[in-house]
Amino acid sequence: AQSVTQLDSQVPVFEEAPVELRCNYSSSVSVYLFWYVQYPNQGLQLLLKYLSGSTLVESINGFEAEFNKSQTSFHLRKPSVHISDTAEYFCAVSEGGGADGLTFGKGTHLIIQP
Amino acid sequence: GAGVSQSPSNKVTEKGKDVELRCDPISGHTALYWYRQSLGQGLEFLIYFQGNSAPDKSGLPSDRFSAERTGGSVSTLTIQRTQQEDSAVYLCASSLLGLAGELFFGEGSRLTVL
Repeated sequence: AQSVTQLDSQVPVFEEAPVELRCNYSSSVSVYLFWYVQYPNQGLQLLLKYLSGSTLVESINGFEAEFNKSQTSFHLRKPSVHISDTAEYFCAVSEGGGADGLTFGKGTHLIIQP
Repeated sequence: GAGVSQSPSNKVTEKGKDVELRCDPISGHTALYWYRQSLGQGLEFLIYFQGNSAPDKSGLPSDRFSAERTGGSVSTLTIQRTQQEDSAVYLCASSLLGLAGELFFGEGSRLTVL
């Protein structure tokens, strides 16, 4: 069975500083990996995903994540955060692709301090 | 609308009452999911519908929980004899078969059991 571990429940960081949100997964087969973001009082929305190919994937708002198979990690990074990045970030894994459901981590609350 | 619609957005009920939560997925999406989001617990998978197949009910926490999906579209999650521990945000998501793992979420129904 697959599982996802987000090591930090809360990450405070100053505006314009870099940030890394950690995600590790366990699975016995090939996986698809995702980061979802939940802004205050909103539903979850897809931030970026790794399906195949390049192990470095990027979002339109400056986040990136790198799939590391040997370390079973998919950490999310941004070189310079903004107040508007304050949100809950969820890492998720899906085995086998298709429309199978995702297994989510417990989330990391990113708090941007001015 | 173009997104996943859930109603009610907020529901306050008394312990022991039954509640129904509704989800209207994106038109054409064959897969529909219900998740429960509790504070500090991340997202808990409840049930998954895919086309006309039998639903995957493996995540339902007790027999007080049930869900149906009529005509392959709208879904209703029913909680009978509500308990205080049922208080949470119930999230519905839909996806398009073949699009690996990308779920589109509604804004959720916040249930408070007094």
